[in-house]
Amino acid sequence: GAVVSQHPSWVICKSGTSVKIECRSLDFQATTMFWYRQFPKQSLMLMATSNEGSKATYEQGVEKDKFLINHASLTLSTLTVTSAHPEDSSFYICSARGGSGTEAFFGQGTRLTVV
Amino acid sequence: GDSVTQMEGPVTLSEEAFLTINCTYTATGYPSLFWYVQYPGEGLQLLLKATKADDKGSNKGFEATYRKETTSFHLEKGSVQVSDSAVYFCALSGRSGGYQKVTFGTGTKLQVIP
Repeated sequence: GAVVSQHPSWVICKSGTSVKIECRSLDFQATTMFWYRQFPKQSLMLMATSNEGSKATYEQGVEKDKFLINHASLTLSTLTVTSAHPEDSSFYICSARGGSGTEAFFGQGTRLTVV
Repeated sequence: GDSVTQMEGPVTLSEEAFLTINCTYTATGYPSLFWYVQYPGEGLQLLLKATKADDKGSNKGFEATYRKETTSFHLEKGSVQVSDSAVYFCALSGRSGGYQKVTFGTGTKLQVIP
């Protein structure tokens, strides 16, 4: 299957700082990318959907000014957690989908710990 | 909106036991259905998929059949192994608000003991 690379795989940051997570599709053009947050009890919550060249569509309850998503090219999307707080500590996962397919491929995830 | 409901875990089975993880969905139109697996410390991997009614997805001994009449996509395996211990997510891909969107169930943790 296609490869989606997410970086970094883990990061520790201080409260009040910002953290950027990258999601790259390595061997296909991703017209749509999805960002998820995985909570400790396994549930996977969709945060936002981004299409290349347009603004991300955020799910209800997700603060768009706190979780900045940029999808500037067909192979790269970034999620920036601004002014991070300990409650933002979580596992963040991206996925990417090509233009005509229905299957989404997932990155390895990023473990964010805010101290 | 779209939703996926799957049985709560954890599910604990002995090696070589039969596995069923139930999954039902609610969606408009004709979504594609997926099972993803997450091994400890890793990201999600696609296990199998079905894109239309009555399709059967299969991989690594796992199977699931797209049942439109019961809106279900139950995951089965005839004989589980210790290496199958993981979290399994049922998911659907459909259009919502003009965008293709993947909606996940809450995941079911499977533990297989020797």
